[in-house]
Amino acid sequence: EIVMTQSPATLSVSPGERVTLSCRAGQSVGNSLAWYQQKLGQAPRLLIYGASTRATGVPARFSGSGSGTEFTLTISSLQAEDFAIYYCQQYDNWPPLTFAGGTRVEIK
Amino acid sequence: QVQLVESGGGVVQPGGSLRLSCVASGFTFSRFGIHWLRQAPGKGLEWLTFIRKDASDKYYSDSVKGRFTVSRDNSENAAYLQMNSLTTEDTAMYYCARTGLTRNWFDPWGQGTLVTVSS
Repeated sequence: EIVMTQSPATLSVSPGERVTLSCRAGQSVGNSLAWYQQKLGQAPRLLIYGASTRATGVPARFSGSGSGTEFTLTISSLQAEDFAIYYCQQYDNWPPLTFAGGTRVEIK
Repeated sequence: QVQLVESGGGVVQPGGSLRLSCVASGFTFSRFGIHWLRQAPGKGLEWLTFIRKDASDKYYSDSVKGRFTVSRDNSENAAYLQMNSLTTEDTAMYYCARTGLTRNWFDPWGQGTLVTVSS
């Protein structure tokens, strides 16, 4: 099983700031990495797949990068609607498909 | 629009069973695999099982293998999760999700159905 970890667990940010979230895989997953956003009381929503490809309808302020074991999700200018929990998930080697524990982005 | 709607959740006693349904609309259901995932209260996301578009392959996480069974009926645009021998550890929001176009990311997700295992 590929263990995924995210840091930090919580990030306090002011609107308009640039945000960088990190995700690490316990072994190389190539570019088989997805990012999801989950707002309170809602189902997760796909943001990024293939480590860097934005899903349909995702604003351009969201970008993904990385390969192998180190990945980053960047929000260029945080908007009010971006306060949420963000999860990364690997789909290179499965079963099982695995998620990291998430990073909560909260208002500073 | 592409949509998945889960149903069938509720309160069940430990050792009991429940069958969840996931009904799809807005796309050709028979062309996509379906995953089931869950999220315990206040916790992260856990993948449970996958069924291929033609049901030719099924995969399970160790946490549910032997207790949960995934199935689908392409004529009804529906997937199902039969859950047996439930324990309090199975209390969670259960989601179905469509597999990605070429690989196993999840898009979209249903709104979820809540399963509570309690005596």
